[in-house]
Amino acid sequence: GAGVSQSPSNKVTEKGKDVELRCDPISGHTALYWYRQSLGQGLEFLIYFQGNSAPDKSGLPSDRFSAERTGGSVSTLTIQRTQQEDSAVYLCASSLNRRPLVRDEQYFGPGTRLTVT
Amino acid sequence: SQQGEEDPQALSIQEGENATMNCSYKTSINNLQWYRQNSGRGLVHLILIRSNEREKHSGRLRVTLDTSKKSSSLLITASRAADTASYFCATDARGGYNKLIFGAGTRLAVHP
Repeated sequence: GAGVSQSPSNKVTEKGKDVELRCDPISGHTALYWYRQSLGQGLEFLIYFQGNSAPDKSGLPSDRFSAERTGGSVSTLTIQRTQQEDSAVYLCASSLNRRPLVRDEQYFGPGTRLTVT
Repeated sequence: SQQGEEDPQALSIQEGENATMNCSYKTSINNLQWYRQNSGRGLVHLILIRSNEREKHSGRLRVTLDTSKKSSSLLITASRAADTASYFCATDARGGYNKLIFGAGTRLAVHP
C-alpha cells in the first residue's frame, strides 16, 4: 500500500521567504507527526496531531512555525520569514494509534530537504 | 536533554560479524522503538518493544529491553553491506508526552 508521501522533496528558498511543506499520511492513520533533522543529528519533534484533538505544538521552535491538518488527513507545515538555521530535513510520520494512550510505530515519509540561502 | 542516547556513535565491522548498538534513556516509557535511516532521509521502523517485554526478534534483529537499567540493545546478526545505515532508538515516554524522543543515532558501516 501507499506509504507516507511528502512534497516537495527539495526546497531552496531565500531568507525571509515563507515556505509550505506538505505531508500525505497513510490512509486511516489517526496520528500525524512532524520532525526536523539537522545534518548529522537525531530527530527533533515539532508537532503532533491525534484525531480531532488539539495538536501538541510543544516542539515548534518559534512562532514562525505553524502546522495544520485538514480533514484529519493531509498536513501542511508552514515556516514564515525563513532563517538560515531553518535549513534541515523535515520529516513527517503517521501512526495508526487505534487504542487510547497506546502509541504504535510511526511510518515516515522521505522528507523535504529545506535549504535557506 | 535527550531521552534516548545511542552508544557507540559509530561502528565499523566486516560482513558476517554481529553488530550491537545500545540505547539508554532517562524516564519511564510505554515503549521503545528502533529505526534505520539510509542517506539522511526517511526512517524505516525496525522493531517496537513495549515496557512489559524483555526481548523481541525480527529476522536477523534482536532487541532487548531492561527497564530497571533504562537501557535497550539492538543486535544485528550476520551483518551485510546493505545494513550500512544510521540506527536510532526512540522512546515513547510515559507522563502525557505525545512524541517519540530520538537519540542522535549510531552510524553503522559494514564492509564487504
